[in-house]
Amino acid sequence: GAGVSQSPSNKVTEKGKDVELRCDPISGHTALYWYRQSLGQGLEFLIYFQGNSAPDKSGLPSDRFSAERTGGSVSTLTIQRTQQEDSAVYLCASSLAPPGGGGYTFGSGTRLTVV
Amino acid sequence: GQSLEQPSEVTAVEGAIVQINCTYQTSGFYGLSWYQQHDGGAPTFLSYNALDGLEETGRFSSFLSRSDSYGYLLLQELQMKDSASYFCAVRGSQGNLIFGKGTKLSVKP
Repeated sequence: GAGVSQSPSNKVTEKGKDVELRCDPISGHTALYWYRQSLGQGLEFLIYFQGNSAPDKSGLPSDRFSAERTGGSVSTLTIQRTQQEDSAVYLCASSLAPPGGGGYTFGSGTRLTVV
Repeated sequence: GQSLEQPSEVTAVEGAIVQINCTYQTSGFYGLSWYQQHDGGAPTFLSYNALDGLEETGRFSSFLSRSDSYGYLLLQELQMKDSASYFCAVRGSQGNLIFGKGTKLSVKP
């Protein structure tokens, strides 16, 4: 597609439920990244996929978080047994690899609210 | 690991010039990037410096000094639409970007 597409744009869920967030990167971009941004805060790195290599999961905050990328394209971030502190905007980005010039393209994000 | 420091807020008037500084600590250096984010929007890529010196793109310029682990973003002829948060970022050895906490720029009339 022309840009990075994320869905849903907004998600409200009850504490303890599981959620799935989807990211469709730019066609041809082999690198895909997930970040989390709490209100008024910076971008917290979560996970990075590069081609067929094993993902860099070093940023995942707990084992309740997992992500997969199917066919080198679409990615799903899953949060199990959601907690209120998981409330944030989840941003996905993609880039050519290696990310020449640091030029990530971000999606508009999914705003997750855990009540 | 990597860490970045930048001011949390900067205020300037329309038409002025503003400089947003960024210092970083990183175990390996692969370039310094700048991103802009308007409230409620997605971050967008502004500039990238891999080598020392100044890179100019229209009203925006970015500078890097690798020996000082320091860079800045220079915004000239400020416009109201430049009000946004600006993030500096360094690339980790794995390829992912590590972002600073951001500088909120407010442009006043």
